[in-house]
Amino acid sequence: EVQLVESGGGLVQPGGSLRLSCAASGFTFSDHYMDWVRQAPGKGLEWIGRTRNKANTYTTEYAASVKGRFTLSRDDSKNSLHLQMNSLKTEDTAVYYCARGGFHGGHYYAGDYWGQGTLVTVSS
Amino acid sequence: DIQMTQSPSSLSAYVGDRVTITCRASQGISNYLAWFQQKPGKAPKSLIYGASSLQSGVPSKFSGSGSGTDFTLTIDSLQPEDFATYYCQQYKSYPLTFGGGTKVEIK
Repeated sequence: EVQLVESGGGLVQPGGSLRLSCAASGFTFSDHYMDWVRQAPGKGLEWIGRTRNKANTYTTEYAASVKGRFTLSRDDSKNSLHLQMNSLKTEDTAVYYCARGGFHGGHYYAGDYWGQGTLVTVSS
Repeated sequence: DIQMTQSPSSLSAYVGDRVTITCRASQGISNYLAWFQQKPGKAPKSLIYGASSLQSGVPSKFSGSGSGTDFTLTIDSLQPEDFATYYCQQYKSYPLTFGGGTKVEIK
């Protein structure tokens, strides 16, 4: 059974940093693209970034709203995905979901499986 | 960026109704369109990818159609467990973008 479990959320002051993790199980982690998607309170879904798989040299993509502040990484030896968030702003307050990339026709959607999410609150 | 516009933003329907939600892309995305269902306090759940391919384990009452810029999600015989918010997502190009969501409520 595919499982994704996020951790690391919490309260942080504006300008601060936080590192989220996503523990994966039930599938061959190194084969898959992985995404982060967030949802501000009462709002819709926003894709924020992706790390490709080993075969595609772990390259990354970011949304403009987080580029230069957030960094995705993965540790295939530990089946884990990470999101390092720096220079946090109040508008980064959201539930952060990790999702496994789903493959279709040479493209990947985010995602075919999702974690339960972890809440990040940026406030003074 | 490709903008995704869903309509309506909300709708009320009776149990047993057939419901259709529309998603329009600001430019052609072929069939690189996915649909998700989200219930309050829960993570999104994948329903459909490739505009019309049903995710494993999703009941056939859900169906999707469309290509290019215009897409629809249809839910047949609405049941209490189907009341939720539905999102479309394009994955033709980066950044991946979602529609604003359609909240399906009980009438």
